[in-house]
Amino acid sequence: AQSVTQLGSHVSVSEGALVLLRCNYSSSVPPYLFWYVQYPNQGLQLLLKYTSAATLVKGINGFEAEFKKSETSFHLTKPSAHMSDAAEYFCAVSQGGSEKLVFGKGTKLTVNP
Amino acid sequence: DTAVSQTPKYLVTQMGNDKSIKCEQNLGHDTMYWYKQDSKKFLKIMFSYNNKELIINETVPNRFSPKSPDKAHLNLHINSLELGDSAVYFCASSRGNYEQFFGPGTRLTVL
Repeated sequence: AQSVTQLGSHVSVSEGALVLLRCNYSSSVPPYLFWYVQYPNQGLQLLLKYTSAATLVKGINGFEAEFKKSETSFHLTKPSAHMSDAAEYFCAVSQGGSEKLVFGKGTKLTVNP
Repeated sequence: DTAVSQTPKYLVTQMGNDKSIKCEQNLGHDTMYWYKQDSKKFLKIMFSYNNKELIINETVPNRFSPKSPDKAHLNLHINSLELGDSAVYFCASSRGNYEQFFGPGTRLTVL
């Protein structure tokens, strides 16, 4: 069975600083990996996805993530944080592209002025 | 032109009542889902329907019954509501196993 671990339930950065949100997965078959963002009192919005093509994936709002099979990781980065990036971020995995998404517990990103 | 919509947005009810949450998508997707997000923001899939057929049922109490009258709709009916059912319920849809698009959520509070 697949699972996702997000290291750090809270991450705080200064505006303009690098954002790094960590995600490690467990899957017995090649996974599809996703990052979603949830702004307060809203639904989830897809930031980016990995589906066995390029290992470096670029998403919306300047975010990108790199799939590293050897480390079973899919960390999310953004070079320069903006106040509007403050939100909850969820990493998710689906096994072999099945419809079932398994989510991590989320990381709350705070951006300080 | 909302992609995935849910009604109501907020639902406050007493223990023991029966309630329904409706979901509609206008994306032409063939798969729809219900997720539950608890007070700690943990998201867990409850059900998935593909072309009106149930394909995922994740150990959810049988007080929860999804109903899909057509591909564009997936409603969630909950009988005999309990305090522990308080959560935010999200509907989502996808075209097969591609990315899922989420609705705005329904915040259910059971008193």
